[in-house]
Amino acid sequence: TQLLEQSPQFLSIQEGENLTVYCNSSSVFSSLQWYRQEPGEGPVLLVTVVTGGEVKKLKRLTFQFGDARKDSSLHITAAQPGDTGLYLCAGGGLNNAGNMLTFGGGTRLMVKP
Amino acid sequence: ETGVTQTPRHLVMGMTNKKSLKCEQHLGHNAMYWYKQSAKKPLELMFVYNFKEQTENNSVPSRFSPECPNSSHLFLHLHTLQPEDSALYLCASSQEGGGRGGNIQYFGAGTRLSVL
Repeated sequence: TQLLEQSPQFLSIQEGENLTVYCNSSSVFSSLQWYRQEPGEGPVLLVTVVTGGEVKKLKRLTFQFGDARKDSSLHITAAQPGDTGLYLCAGGGLNNAGNMLTFGGGTRLMVKP
Repeated sequence: ETGVTQTPRHLVMGMTNKKSLKCEQHLGHNAMYWYKQSAKKPLELMFVYNFKEQTENNSVPSRFSPECPNSSHLFLHLHTLQPEDSALYLCASSQEGGGRGGNIQYFGAGTRLSVL
């Protein structure tokens, strides 16, 4: 069992559709980060959320941290082919483990033109 | 360009070979990490170095040997690997002590390793 469960694992949608991916845990994290990884590249940070209930927007992407800091969601509006990639959530500060991050299994998104 | 450079990008090696992966960060960070990413598993943390000292060894087999000569460079020495070690090996760096939102890790592009 993973500490951070992401769902769905795979998602294939048409350009212009909206989607939400989830990152859930029974553990409390001091911060939650979302990364996007494209084929042949390493993960690139999209956002960090640190306050329960916090909402951050990055153009068409909306990130929310759960009130209890155990879960997070990523909503994409009007998805574009350039959004295709592996989306990873990562929790920080579990068990006061300093700079360590716990990664979820990822959601692989494909946006078809 | 994330400021973290990994070489080589691709590596094919036999089970009896010895090779090394290199990571260099140009961000002035004080912590560096090795991760393993394979197709069916989440990112697996292998090693952590803070201020050049190894602070985490996540039950990694001894055929993987890390080396951190200074805070900007990190190596992963490989010997007598197994085919199941084939994966993408990612290096990351961060600035320790950055507060709750400070453990942001910056990743290199990875080394795609195939063990034959």
